[in-house]
Amino acid sequence: GAVVSQHPSRVICKSGTSVKIECRSLDFQATTMFWYRQFPKKSLMLMATSNEGSKATYEQGVEKDKFLINHASLTLSTLTVTSAHPEDSSFYICSALMESGTQYFGPGTRLLVL
Amino acid sequence: LAKTTQPISMDSYEGQEVNITCSHNNIATNDYITWYQQFPSQGPRFIIQGYKTKVTNEVASLFIPADRKSSTLSLPRVSLSDTAVYYCLVARARNTNAGKSTFGDGTTLTVKP
Repeated sequence: GAVVSQHPSRVICKSGTSVKIECRSLDFQATTMFWYRQFPKKSLMLMATSNEGSKATYEQGVEKDKFLINHASLTLSTLTVTSAHPEDSSFYICSALMESGTQYFGPGTRLLVL
Repeated sequence: LAKTTQPISMDSYEGQEVNITCSHNNIATNDYITWYQQFPSQGPRFIIQGYKTKVTNEVASLFIPADRKSSTLSLPRVSLSDTAVYYCLVARARNTNAGKSTFGDGTTLTVKP
């Protein structure tokens, strides 16, 4: 199957700092990528849709100024958690959409805000 | 976006066939069905995808009835390593909101020795 990577795999930061997470599709180009967050023992929650060359579309309740998304190329989308607080601690997962319509997911990034 | 409903949990034993059914009553004509497997602290892994009837690959089969309001993932001869959460997703193949989908609660499959 297609390969999607995320970096870093885990990050610990102090409250008030910003953290950037990268999502790359390694063997295909993705016009659309998705960002999810997942709390322990819960399902994935869609945060936003990242579109190459245009603004991201955020789900209801997700602050676009808090979670900045940039889809700079057909293989890279970044999520920046600005002024992170402990409640932002979570597992963040991205996916890349193939032309076939199938989403392939990254391995996830564990964020811990102290 | 089509809402999906799955059993919260299932138990099985090694070597048995496991069938997990997902309901998606408001599936649209352009929607397709995809199943994923997720282990703790990992991203979901693609298992199989289909639109109608039956699809089979090296790890699973997917059965979709004619009305497409449900689908069944079939895992032949499960092993302990198949213990995971399984999600079915319904998403549009093309155009507006292509690929966008809502994750349901998933089914936690526990395989016992």
